[in-house]
Amino acid sequence: QVQLVQSGAEVKNPGASVRISCKASGYTFTNYAMHWVRQAPGQRLEWMGWINTGSGNRKYSQEFQGRVTITRDTSASTGYMELSSLRSEDTAVYFCARESGGGYCTGGSCYFSWFDPWGQGTLVTVSS
Amino acid sequence: QSVLTQPPSVSGAPGQRVTISCSGSSSNIGSHFDVHWYQQLPRTAPKLLIYANNNRPSGVPDRFSGSRSGTSASLAISGLQAEDEADYYCQSYDSSLSASVFGGGTKLTVL
Repeated sequence: QVQLVQSGAEVKNPGASVRISCKASGYTFTNYAMHWVRQAPGQRLEWMGWINTGSGNRKYSQEFQGRVTITRDTSASTGYMELSSLRSEDTAVYFCARESGGGYCTGGSCYFSWFDPWGQGTLVTVSS
Repeated sequence: QSVLTQPPSVSGAPGQRVTISCSGSSSNIGSHFDVHWYQQLPRTAPKLLIYANNNRPSGVPDRFSGSRSGTSASLAISGLQAEDEADYYCQSYDSSLSASVFGGGTKLTVL
């Protein structure tokens, strides 16, 4: 079945970076883009960015521009999200999700559709 | 501050029908971008409930339905069951932000 499995929980000091992996199975990895979304404790879902897993083209939310880097390893069918300069407000569960409605981002024109499925989530705790 | 606005909470008795609203603007729902809905049970990942305004993925009961009109959308749940108690989020695309956007979430309590 289509599945996304994320790496385990992380505890980081303020100012550090964190890298989370998301391994896809059950479908052709490069046929579907991947999104990253986070959810702080008791808060709403917050879109962080997107990667075209075939071309490697990326789009980031303005909220995270400059701090987030999304990459992929096609040979491993795995996506990665790295967030730098961590602060306490970055404590959250981070999710990867598959773009399943044909979303795109080319030449400055983007459209994203629905996310399905989602990874199980990775808790990142930022604390000194 | 969420780009899409949802009521923080709704409630209903078993068997009743409830609706959850999702209010947007001219740069997202009002521009005819599709609305999608997710159900999030406690301590789990969100699950796709409705896609492209009114379509149910395989396995989602027909008690769940969605609609879109103007700059708003709604999720309706009929025949409420105890297992429907969860958080529900709407999602769309915003052309001004060039980003996917979510509502603030609505907590459904089954009385």
